[in-house]
Amino acid sequence: EAQVTQNPRYLITVTGKKLTVTCSQNMNHEYMSWYRQDPGLGLRQIYYSMNVEVTDKGDVPEGYKVSRKEKRNFPLILESPSPNQTSLYFCASRPGGWGSYNEQFFGPGTRLTVL
Amino acid sequence: AQSVTQLGSHVSVSEGALVLLRCNYSSSVPPYLFWYVQYPNQGLQLLLKYTSAATLVKGINGFEAEFKKSETSFHLTKPSAHMSDAAEYFCAVSDREYGNKLVFGAGTILRVKS
Repeated sequence: EAQVTQNPRYLITVTGKKLTVTCSQNMNHEYMSWYRQDPGLGLRQIYYSMNVEVTDKGDVPEGYKVSRKEKRNFPLILESPSPNQTSLYFCASRPGGWGSYNEQFFGPGTRLTVL
Repeated sequence: AQSVTQLGSHVSVSEGALVLLRCNYSSSVPPYLFWYVQYPNQGLQLLLKYTSAATLVKGINGFEAEFKKSETSFHLTKPSAHMSDAAEYFCAVSDREYGNKLVFGAGTILRVKS
C-alpha cells in the first residue's frame, strides 16, 4: 500500500531532551516536507526537501533540524525541545521536484507534548 | 508571498443541507488551489485540486469547488451534507516562488447536525 508513515504517533517528553520523529514514504517521491498544525493557524511548513541531500527551511524552522540521506526517509530532529514545540506534526511527500503541482500525500501525524 | 483566508473557523449545517466552505486566496500569478479534509485523528486527504483547467472542479465524496479569478475565491460546496462529512477542511494555495509549496488556510471545522 502506498503510504507515508510516521513514528511515533504520540510522544510526551521533557524540555531539552533530544528527540527524532521518523517519516518514511514508499512511493519513490522526490519531494518531502514537514508541517506543524496548531489550532487557528492551519499547517505551517517547517522544512522541505526536493531530493536526497537537498533540504531547505520552510516558514517556521527555528528549533528543528532535518536530513535526507535516503529518498524514502526524512526525519525531523528536535535537538532541545521546548514547550512551544508542543504541536501536531505531519510529514508529506509528493512526486516531482520544484515546479510540480502534484498533490501531497500526508502521514497520520505525530502528537508531541513537551513538558 | 501567497496567503489563504478561510472565513469561519466553525460551520454547522443540518444533515441534507447545503455545505458551503469559503476560501479566498492572494496570489500574484495564476494559482494552483487545493482542498484537503482531515477526519479526527487522521492525516490530510485530498478532496480536489484546481490546476488551471476547468474552473468547476469535482472531487471525492460529492464535493466540488469553483475557481473565480475575479473574486480570488475557491469555495467548497456539497449539495447535501452527510453525517460522515463532519471533519476539518483546509484550503491551500501552491506558492510557485517556493517550489510550489503549499500555503494553508487556518481550517474550517464542519459540524453536521442530525
